[in-house]
Amino acid sequence: EAAVTQSPRNKVAVTGGKVTLSCNQTNNHNNMYWYRQDTGHGLRLIHYSYGAGSTEKGDIPDGYKASRPSQENFSLILELATPSQTSVYFCASGDARGGAEQFFGPGTRLTVL
Amino acid sequence: GEQVEQLPSSLIVQEGASVLINCSYTDSASVYFPWYKQEPGKRLQFIIDIRSNMERKQTQRLTLLFDKKTKHLSLHITATQPGDSAIYFCSASTGNNRIFFGDGTQLVVKP
Repeated sequence: EAAVTQSPRNKVAVTGGKVTLSCNQTNNHNNMYWYRQDTGHGLRLIHYSYGAGSTEKGDIPDGYKASRPSQENFSLILELATPSQTSVYFCASGDARGGAEQFFGPGTRLTVL
Repeated sequence: GEQVEQLPSSLIVQEGASVLINCSYTDSASVYFPWYKQEPGKRLQFIIDIRSNMERKQTQRLTLLFDKKTKHLSLHITATQPGDSAIYFCSASTGNNRIFFGDGTQLVVKP
């Protein structure tokens, strides 16, 4: 069964509202990542984590917060959602050793109206 | 930081044809290069990788070539099938747990 899951799979939010995207992995990986995917931009890294309690800023962190309460769970939080945050969000997990593939979740399609 | 560029951005071929996807990167410290495939509406799936101490890697219908001197990779897919239709992503990593992705190449294989 899938080792990286995301919820919700689809979300419609209003501008100014709070949105929380959740990710769970059963790979026992130390590292977890949040990306957004927009047409013409590939995947851009928002936040990542090296383990429970740690979060690091990626390339486009503005407007997003992250939380890693446990090895298995990594959340992405939009405190004040804006229409520019409409996108598909992917979570991934990866081994802590350098140079290892990442395993992706199925994605969350977020629409901010 | 690292920048990864892929060409072409899209390809349309007939079933059975071979395709070549080119990828270049900028950071000479990058040592690991995984490639991913994303079928429509699906998650990214790892398909093949290569490390900087290798020049070539092959698995089934995929051949990945790496030129460290020119900072260039190319993915060759032979005997394409409609099921190969997807977006293919090149990526690069210095081994510090971060991976930088190209913008992807959309491949359409017509039956």
